[in-house]
Amino acid sequence: DAMVIQNPRYQVTQFGKPVTLSCSQTLNHNVMYWYQQKSSQAPKLLFHYYDKDFNNEADTPDNFQSRRPNTSFCFLDIRSPGLGDAAMYLCATSRDYSGLQETQYFGPGTRLLVL
Amino acid sequence: DAKTTQPNSMESNEEEPVHLPCNHSTISGTDYIHWYRQLPSQGPEYVIHGLTSNVNNRMASLAIAEDRKSSTLILHRATLRDAAVYYCILRGGNTDKLIFGTGTRLQVFP
Repeated sequence: DAMVIQNPRYQVTQFGKPVTLSCSQTLNHNVMYWYQQKSSQAPKLLFHYYDKDFNNEADTPDNFQSRRPNTSFCFLDIRSPGLGDAAMYLCATSRDYSGLQETQYFGPGTRLLVL
Repeated sequence: DAKTTQPNSMESNEEEPVHLPCNHSTISGTDYIHWYRQLPSQGPEYVIHGLTSNVNNRMASLAIAEDRKSSTLILHRATLRDAAVYYCILRGGNTDKLIFGTGTRLQVFP
């Protein structure tokens, strides 16, 4: 059964053209995360939502925004994609935030190509 | 954030045991050791975690040194499906952040 779903798996956009990536979850988890993973690098956390509370990482560019309209869905908006934003974008969830034993569940990722 | 050090790559033959090391000399007393792996073209998946005692689950075993400054993920019988990047991550404080290091790329040969 799919638990964390990301659509589409591949997204092509043009330089400067806004793009939205989507993530949904069937786990009813409180926390949803967005990570960016560039080629041959480790995933890097961009931000997360604990319920409706948005938490941005200090070094996440302003070009990246997120929305969480309900528990199940979370969106990543890139307002003006640059060539350097081409990457795999990973969505993850966890039941709670502050548990040191909490497991994160990742989706398959959306690979973004910027032309 | 406490850091981990892992070899960049390791190789194994199918059906042989694999021992993936991780050094974390600056670990604090309350840091948990988590392992995730990322199969090609997929998101990371949880493998195992522990605090002080060795842990076993259906995927792997985690051996933690007595001083907790290192740990080893053990795959008892590697399969081709185990070829992935394995990340050793310390979780501490009041955060749910996963801070990924460079990980170890495991190749498994038939």
